[in-house]
Amino acid sequence: DAGVTQSPTHLIKTRGQQVTLRCSPKSGHDTVSWYQQALGQGPQFIFQYYEEEERQRGNFPDRFSGHQFPNYSSELNVNALLLGDSALYLCASSATSGREQFFGPGTRLTVL
Amino acid sequence: GEDVEQSLFLSVREGDSSVINCTYTDSSSTYLYWYKQEPGAGLQLLTYIFSNMDMKQDQRLTVLLNKKDKHLSLRIADTQTGDSAIYFCAETSPNTGFQKLVFGTGTRLLVSP
Repeated sequence: DAGVTQSPTHLIKTRGQQVTLRCSPKSGHDTVSWYQQALGQGPQFIFQYYEEEERQRGNFPDRFSGHQFPNYSSELNVNALLLGDSALYLCASSATSGREQFFGPGTRLTVL
Repeated sequence: GEDVEQSLFLSVREGDSSVINCTYTDSSSTYLYWYKQEPGAGLQLLTYIFSNMDMKQDQRLTVLLNKKDKHLSLRIADTQTGDSAIYFCAETSPNTGFQKLVFGTGTRLLVSP
C-alpha cells in the first residue's frame, strides 16, 4: 500500500517564476491538504481540497492556488515566487471525515 | 483562537524516559496529535487523542492530557537513539471541521548513547 507521494523532491527557482508541485494521496483517501514548513518552524496550513474543490484555506495570498483531479491527486501552484516562499511543502491526505492526516516526504523549494 | 506552544529542545540518555510537553489554547472539543519528523523527511503520525480522554498508551508511547490546563504530554519509554527527531504537537477543532492542523514549533529530541 503506497503512502502519500510527492514530486519533485527538490526544486530551485528564481524570483518571479512560477512552480507546480504534485501530490498523490494514500490509497483510499479522497482529501488532500497542503502545508508550508519554513526552516525551524512547524508546518502552516495552506489549503485543503475535497471533491475537486478548495474546502478550506489558511492565511496565504492568492499567489498560492491548487487543484484536485478526479483520481484525488492534487497540485499546488505558486506564482510570482518570492525569496520567502523557500520552504518544505508538505502534502497530507485523509479519508472523508477522517481524523488522521498522513504526510508525504515533501518537496523542498528554494527560491534564489 | 488556535495556538500551540512547545519547548524547543530536550536531551536524554538512551534507555531513559523522555517527556515532551505542549500547551494549546483552543477551548472547544478538539483532537490533539503528535507527529515525528526526522531530518529531511516528512511527518510521521505517532498518535492522537480526543479531548474527552485523559490518557492513551501505544507501546512505548503514552499521551497524557490535562484538559483544565490545556496541557498535553508525550512520554517515550526506554528512549532509543532512533527516537532522535523533532516532535510536533498539533490540534484541530470543530471550528475548522477538524480539517486544519495547527502545529507547534516542534521539540528537538536528542538521545545520546
